[in-house]
Amino acid sequence: GIQVEQSPPDLILQEGANSTLRCNFSDSVNNLQWFHQNPWGQLINLFYIPSGTKQNGRLSATTVATERYSLLYISSSQTTDSGVYFCAVGRGSTLGRLYFGRGTQLTVWP
Amino acid sequence: DVKVTQSSRYLVKRTGEKVFLECVQDMDHENMFWYRQDPGLGLRLIYFSYDVKMKEKGDIPEGYSVSREKKERFSLILESASTNQTSMYLCASKGDRGRINTEAFFGQGTRLTVV
Repeated sequence: GIQVEQSPPDLILQEGANSTLRCNFSDSVNNLQWFHQNPWGQLINLFYIPSGTKQNGRLSATTVATERYSLLYISSSQTTDSGVYFCAVGRGSTLGRLYFGRGTQLTVWP
Repeated sequence: DVKVTQSSRYLVKRTGEKVFLECVQDMDHENMFWYRQDPGLGLRLIYFSYDVKMKEKGDIPEGYSVSREKKERFSLILESASTNQTSMYLCASKGDRGRINTEAFFGQGTRLTVV
């Protein structure tokens, strides 16, 4: 399978701060997603980004597929950004399955 | 709007019981997945299905089976529940094999406790 490493494992910020979460993967992929797990456990889709850059409000993401990493940027953090952020990757030979990293636990204090 | 629905949010079962976790998607997706999530271990794939009546083992299939009789429904079965199957179970759905570069969507999760 594909190994996915996320860093940092834990991140503690004050409200208003910016942060960068990183996802490294061990093989070429044609599918990459970022998720936020809310306090009730549901995984919320943030970005579908196998390559390139996307922005959605205070969040943006960049994937450099040739170098096998992706970055998630959170600007002007809010307490509601707290939770676990997961990166998941896949490729065509795996029948659509995704390989997940262990996640980054983000805590934003007021 | 995209929707993946798991039948229960919380479930408490006794050791040895047969347990059914149901997942339904309304997006006409061919691929469906069952993961379990445990602290410190992340999400681990139990089983997945790429078509009706088709299934593939994931990384931790022992103690589980699945059923996909209809395209929209994917069931996870714990044949004889044990306390080490206490976990958060997450179902996901994804576009068909012909369009492999598609986005996966998750249900709200089922927190199962086996006592």
